[in-house]
Amino acid sequence: DAGVIQSPRHEVTEMGQEVTLRCKPISGHNSLFWYRQTMMRGLELLIYFNNNVPIDDSGMPEDRFSAKMPNASFSTLKIQPSEPRDSAVYFCASSLSSSEAFFGQGTRLTVV
Amino acid sequence: QKEVEQDPGPLSVPEGAIVSLNCTYSNSAFQYFMWYRQYSRKGPELLMYTYSSGNKEDGRFTAQVDKSSKYISLFIRDSQPSDSATYLCAMGRYGQNFVFGPGTRLSVLP
Repeated sequence: DAGVIQSPRHEVTEMGQEVTLRCKPISGHNSLFWYRQTMMRGLELLIYFNNNVPIDDSGMPEDRFSAKMPNASFSTLKIQPSEPRDSAVYFCASSLSSSEAFFGQGTRLTVV
Repeated sequence: QKEVEQDPGPLSVPEGAIVSLNCTYSNSAFQYFMWYRQYSRKGPELLMYTYSSGNKEDGRFTAQVDKSSKYISLFIRDSQPSDSATYLCAMGRYGQNFVFGPGTRLSVLP
């Protein structure tokens, strides 16, 4: 298996634009997590899906953030409109029933 | 009190030293305990995974879990410059999300 695949690896966008981050989890995994990592706040959980259903979205900063998982092999995290304070590295991770989680390589987002 | 506490370092050791990294936690319901290694500009990489109290060894790495004290450790023997990274502890429960420590930045000096 190729592991968790995220795209794009880097994204630079202007404030106010819509940003969509994509994730393909490991085949067979039933849990998917979106994290955000910054120097100041470390690794923060944004949202967690189990069997494609959002279980915990309490970490989503505000209504500008939304996440979907239309099927077991694909998830998106959307920010609309983006702001400079959204600049961070966004990680997707997947696991089987919340045992060990495997991370993608991340998307480095810069909002200017 | 934070759910998971971890000394952020930085920790600098000479090559060949034994490194001890630690985390404490407050939630006795945690069942899974993990250590991740994260190199600069890369995603966290799973190093060790344990389910219960006790020790687990994998090469130069030993993970130790003491549920009664709510304390986990990662030991690195014969540390190498390539071990220089940030080490994050993480814990979870079945069907629940994970909680990560803030990470300890380790530098192994040649």
